[in-house]
Amino acid sequence: NAGVTQTPKFQVLKTGQSMTLQCAQDMNHNSMYWYRQDPGMGLRLIYYSASEGTTDKGEVPNGYNVSRLNKREFSLRLESAAPSQTSVYFCASSVSGGRDEQFFGPGTRLTVL
Amino acid sequence: AQSVAQPEDQVNVAEGNPLTVKCTYSVSGNPYLFWYVQYPNRGLQFLLKYITGDNLVKGSYGFEAEFNKSQTSFHLKKPSALVSDSALYFCAVRAPSGTYKYIFGTGTRLKVLA
Repeated sequence: NAGVTQTPKFQVLKTGQSMTLQCAQDMNHNSMYWYRQDPGMGLRLIYYSASEGTTDKGEVPNGYNVSRLNKREFSLRLESAAPSQTSVYFCASSVSGGRDEQFFGPGTRLTVL
Repeated sequence: AQSVAQPEDQVNVAEGNPLTVKCTYSVSGNPYLFWYVQYPNRGLQFLLKYITGDNLVKGSYGFEAEFNKSQTSFHLKKPSALVSDSALYFCAVRAPSGTYKYIFGTGTRLKVLA
């Protein structure tokens, strides 16, 4: 099993450009999450999907959109990138959102110039 | 509102000595508590969790954590540190009802010195 995979691993954008970060899991998990990690701030939840067909805002959703394409895939879109979105982005999944631990992908390092 | 605090940015310990990484939380009701570890340029890996029951939880790689409800703490411990334990450690909390949102602490960098 590959677990949680993310593409791309690295990306450099110019201000105003758009892009989509892809995430897929092969563990048949119901819940999926997008986080950003910034120095000194830990991980902050951007959006999550409790189950296929549902998405909800997390702590820092502004400037992002998500799509739960099917049970396996959960994408994150930046419509108009800003320098403040320079960060490392992690996708995660869990069996459900309750007592279950999360499994994380390797991350995408995004720089917005 | 729920929150997690990791009061130490960095903890240094000599190899073979016991280690403690501190975590305190604030949440309504009985919390679900988690510890994760992050090695350089990697995603987070689950170490252990407390849901209910025995206050002492054992996890991966010889780590354990003690849930203390009166002090609202969930400190991570290991009896004998290894150099390979050097990494970034995150505590996370989730309220048991309603939201699926996890709140992560800011992380503590553990450095084990040979």
